[in-house]
Amino acid sequence: DGGITQSPKYLFRKEGQNVTLSCEQNLNHDAMYWYRQDPGQGLRLIYYSQIVNDFQKGDIAEGYSVSREKKESFPLTVTSAQKNPTAFYLCASTTGRGGYTFGSGTRLTVV
Amino acid sequence: DQQVKQNSPSLSVQEGRISILNCDYTNSMFDYFLWYKKYPAEGPTFLISISSIKDKNEDGRFTVFLNKSAKHLSLHIVPSQPGDSAVYFCAASVSNFGNEKLTFGTGTRLTIIP
Repeated sequence: DGGITQSPKYLFRKEGQNVTLSCEQNLNHDAMYWYRQDPGQGLRLIYYSQIVNDFQKGDIAEGYSVSREKKESFPLTVTSAQKNPTAFYLCASTTGRGGYTFGSGTRLTVV
Repeated sequence: DQQVKQNSPSLSVQEGRISILNCDYTNSMFDYFLWYKKYPAEGPTFLISISSIKDKNEDGRFTVFLNKSAKHLSLHIVPSQPGDSAVYFCAASVSNFGNEKLTFGTGTRLTIIP
């Protein structure tokens, strides 16, 4: 079955560490997105990529980095520059109008 | 600047009754609107959408209404069922010939009371 796989489901990070969240899709979608969900704030766009080897900043890109070396993969790195990284992170992909498919999310907690 | 707003953070409805979730937007360039449903610790799943050329779209128990002049859309669920208890997100996009970015509202938590 086609879909999006995010791993790990839960991730704990120490202060000052970088961590990378994985997002893989086998839907042959061109565009991929990373969103962050905080209580009462909905989903906010971090980065997106519409084609391999190209990506753009979203609304809250500071402290994050991404790469898009393969169509299937869009990993997100949460760097030590992100001051408040504890959140639920969602990856999505689409091939066109409104057809976002979301992964099941990664909950990142700073300890 | 919150371009898509869901002013009711929560809503409780009796089972069998109609649930009405509301959404307002400020960007007049938005021309496609969607509703997503989300359970805790899961990704959102697509429910229903509407293009700005329509004012109503129906799919089973779910109907979305769009009022462009008021920049307002609503999702009606009838009859409401216990499995409808979830957080509902409204989202909007601007035509970009595919791969449009979605702007999401803050969500409304719907609780169906048995």
